[in-house]
Amino acid sequence: ELKVEQNPLFLSMQEGKNYTIYCNYSTTSDRLYWYRQDPGKSLESLFVLLSNGAVKQEGRLMASLDTKARLSTLHITAAVHDLSATYFCAVDANFGNEKLTFGTGTRLTIIP
Amino acid sequence: DAGVIQSPRHEVTEMGQEVTLRCKPISGHDYLFWYRQTMMRGLELLIYFNNNVPIDDSGMPEDRFSAKMPNASFSTLKIQPSEPRDSAVYFCASGTRDRGLNEQFFGPGTRLTVL
Repeated sequence: ELKVEQNPLFLSMQEGKNYTIYCNYSTTSDRLYWYRQDPGKSLESLFVLLSNGAVKQEGRLMASLDTKARLSTLHITAAVHDLSATYFCAVDANFGNEKLTFGTGTRLTIIP
Repeated sequence: DAGVIQSPRHEVTEMGQEVTLRCKPISGHDYLFWYRQTMMRGLELLIYFNNNVPIDDSGMPEDRFSAKMPNASFSTLKIQPSEPRDSAVYFCASGTRDRGLNEQFFGPGTRLTVL
């Protein structure tokens, strides 16, 4: 069974600081997705990472994928308040099915 | 495209009543997924369809839950009878496997409260 673990589960940080969210998964995969969820809202696709070494950046967020380590990171640079949300990673397990296995989510709170 | 459409957005019902949630996927998407989200259990996949055919319903919690997809543009998730522990946000998502991607696009969700 594929397991996807995120850490930390909760993160409170000050504006202007940098931090990284980690997503570890338990089986071979070269496809990983990051989603954002604002309180009371739906999940919004942020990044699609499709190969080892893939790096994607959008504004203050940068995601990377290391398939050998089975690790993806979401790096936040100079955080601002509107990045406060819950961030999920999801792994496509290459089992020949179309399921995504989601991590538990990281609730990020940016303090002014 | 309007994105994935779900209705109703909010539903409050009493224990024992039948609840039907509805979903319209993005046009051209051939996969449809139903998820449930709660604080305690996080995001759970209940069932998914490919070309209107149920592929995996192993996440459906029990026989009280059923899902159908009569055509490419409509799906329902039914709970009968409903129980307070079914209170959750139910999301529908759609996607396609074009170019090897498995990106899923989520609807706004239905917040269900069972009293």
